[in-house]
Amino acid sequence: AQSVTQLGSHVSVSEGALVLLRCNYSSSVPPYLFWYVQYPNQGLQLLLKYTSAATLVKGINGFEAEFKKSETSFHLTKPSAHMSDAAEYFCAVSPISGGTSYGKLTFGQGTILTVHP
Amino acid sequence: DTGVSQNPRHKITKRGQNVTFRCDPISEHNRLYWYRQTLGQGPEFLTYFQNEAQLEKSRLLSDRFSAERPKGSFSTLEIQRTEQGDSAMYLCASSTAGAEAFFGQGTRLTVV
Repeated sequence: AQSVTQLGSHVSVSEGALVLLRCNYSSSVPPYLFWYVQYPNQGLQLLLKYTSAATLVKGINGFEAEFKKSETSFHLTKPSAHMSDAAEYFCAVSPISGGTSYGKLTFGQGTILTVHP
Repeated sequence: DTGVSQNPRHKITKRGQNVTFRCDPISEHNRLYWYRQTLGQGPEFLTYFQNEAQLEKSRLLSDRFSAERPKGSFSTLEIQRTEQGDSAMYLCASSTAGAEAFFGQGTRLTVV
């Protein structure tokens, strides 16, 4: 079975500071990995995905993540935080094989990012 | 296309009542997924359709829950005899094969 652990349920940074949100996964084989963002009372928006190509993945809004197989990690970073980045972020995995790839996701518990002026 | 649409956005119901939610996926997407998200948690997979066929159901989907996608387009999720523990955000997502899922804004259910 696949699982995801997000380290830190709350992260607070100053505007302009580095954002680092941590995600570790557990899977018998390297899965597909995703980061989603959720604003209050909204659905989830895909930030970026790793699908066995380049290990450094660039996404929307200046975010990027690096897949490290040896560490079973997929941490999300952004060099300079903006006030509009304040939201909840979810790391997720899906199986590579089978018809549900990309759609049947196992999510972490989420990390709430607060950005201070 | 305006994306995945879910209705209603909010639903308050009394314990024991039945409720039904609707999801309209992106028109060319043949895959549709339902998730449940409780407060402070990540979404949890409930069920998956490919066209009109329901191909997978989570054990979270008790016999009080039923989902349909009769013509391979919109889908409904019905909860019978609601319980307070059913209070959650119900999210729908759709995709094509080999592409990421797009999520709707969800239906927030409150059982009082």
